[in-house]
Amino acid sequence: NAGVTQTPKFQVLKTGQSMTLQCAQDMNHEYMSWYRQDPGMGLRLIHYSVGAGITDQGEVPNGYNVSRSTTEDFPLRLLSAAPSQTSVYFCASRLDRARNQPQHFGDGTRLSIL
Amino acid sequence: QQPVQSPQAVILREGEDAVINCSSSKALYSVHWYRQKHGEAPVFLMILLKGGEQKGHDKISASFNEKKQQSSLYLTASQLSYSGTYFCGTRAGSARQLTFGSGTQLTVLP
Repeated sequence: NAGVTQTPKFQVLKTGQSMTLQCAQDMNHEYMSWYRQDPGMGLRLIHYSVGAGITDQGEVPNGYNVSRSTTEDFPLRLLSAAPSQTSVYFCASRLDRARNQPQHFGDGTRLSIL
Repeated sequence: QQPVQSPQAVILREGEDAVINCSSSKALYSVHWYRQKHGEAPVFLMILLKGGEQKGHDKISASFNEKKQQSSLYLTASQLSYSGTYFCGTRAGSARQLTFGSGTQLTVLP
């Protein structure tokens, strides 16, 4: 059982480049989300999705796009990378049918923007 | 709006107890607790649902005071393996998203 899989694990980009962070889960979870983690800031929600075809913004959505074409996949796109987007990115998923379900995290993508 | 965690950091000796608090200004639907080791993903500990329940997991337990919109995590007879950063995540009202506090860094010394 793979759980939540994120790729790549590490990435270095130059300012202005674009890239897609991949996230896939094999647990048939309806709810998926992206967080960024910066020192002293905890986990801040970027975007989330409650099912295929449905996405919504979190606390810090600017500079990021998402789509959810299947239940399994929830990619995060940086259209024009900026140094302020240097961070560790975590994808998470959750079964959403009952309110006592835990959120499962991927191992993270460490992104540096030069 | 982020829940507020306190303290920001705590240092313990092995065998000592600790309490970590998580407060929200909103009416909470549930509170999640996670522990994160350095360089790793957050790992789920437990969920508290509104109703003022208390749960336990080995020597780690938690409570949820619905009147105060506050949850507390209790670590009893701490072990070296308890070291890490503890995060509370809250779901408010009918919101589907989980919002996390800034974390409490716990260090257990031998």
